Amino acid sequence: SAVISQKPSRDICQRGTSLTIQCQVDSQVTMMFWYRQQPGQSLTLIATANQGSEATYESGFVIDKFPISRPNLTFSTLTVSNMSPEDSSIYLCSVEDPASGSSYNEQFFGPGTRLTVL
Amino acid sequence: SQQGEEDPQALSIQEGENATMNCSYKTSINNLQWYRQNSGRGLVHLILIRSNEREKHSGRLRVTLDTSKKSSSLLITASRAADTASYFCATDPTYSSASKIIFGSGTRLSIRP
Repeated sequence: SAVISQKPSRDICQRGTSLTIQCQVDSQVTMMFWYRQQPGQSLTLIATANQGSEATYESGFVIDKFPISRPNLTFSTLTVSNMSPEDSSIYLCSVEDPASGSSYNEQFFGPGTRLTVL
Repeated sequence: SQQGEEDPQALSIQEGENATMNCSYKTSINNLQWYRQNSGRGLVHLILIRSNEREKHSGRLRVTLDTSKKSSSLLITASRAADTASYFCATDPTYSSASKIIFGSGTRLSIRP
């Protein structure tokens, strides 16, 4: 399956600042996804990022707060803007990996970015 | 709201015993996936079971799917300390035209030595 890396792995930020998280895949993928996992909770989809088009955001998430870039088929960034302590979470990217041979929305995840906002 | 609810929320067993986790969901699905997450790290994909399958095996893992009851179970046999993690089910609902999966609430599994 695809190898997915994220940077940074963790960060501690001050409220009001912004952080950009990078997701890099070792193969070309069409679909990339960004999730948030609040402390002790499950994963919630923030948005779907397709190359060459605007990201599609889920209910409760807006582009001004979570701008996403997808400049090519192996890379995406998620920015958490104007952060508050409520944004403290693990942020994960995932991909559908065509190399897996599965056509069933099988997703593979990066290692996550643990964000703490003070 | 989340598609999947898992029970138990937490499970503690002795090493060597079997662990069973259950996932219930609300709508028709194309498939269901199980993931493992170690201590707040990334998710590891364990197994995918399609809606027309009833049972699937992978090593010490056994997954069942009952679409009439809208439920799935994950059985880990002969548990090991390294199995300590959170386990999530994720469903691919038929109502969604996009490639989205929806996660359950998760089960925290602890294996006692």
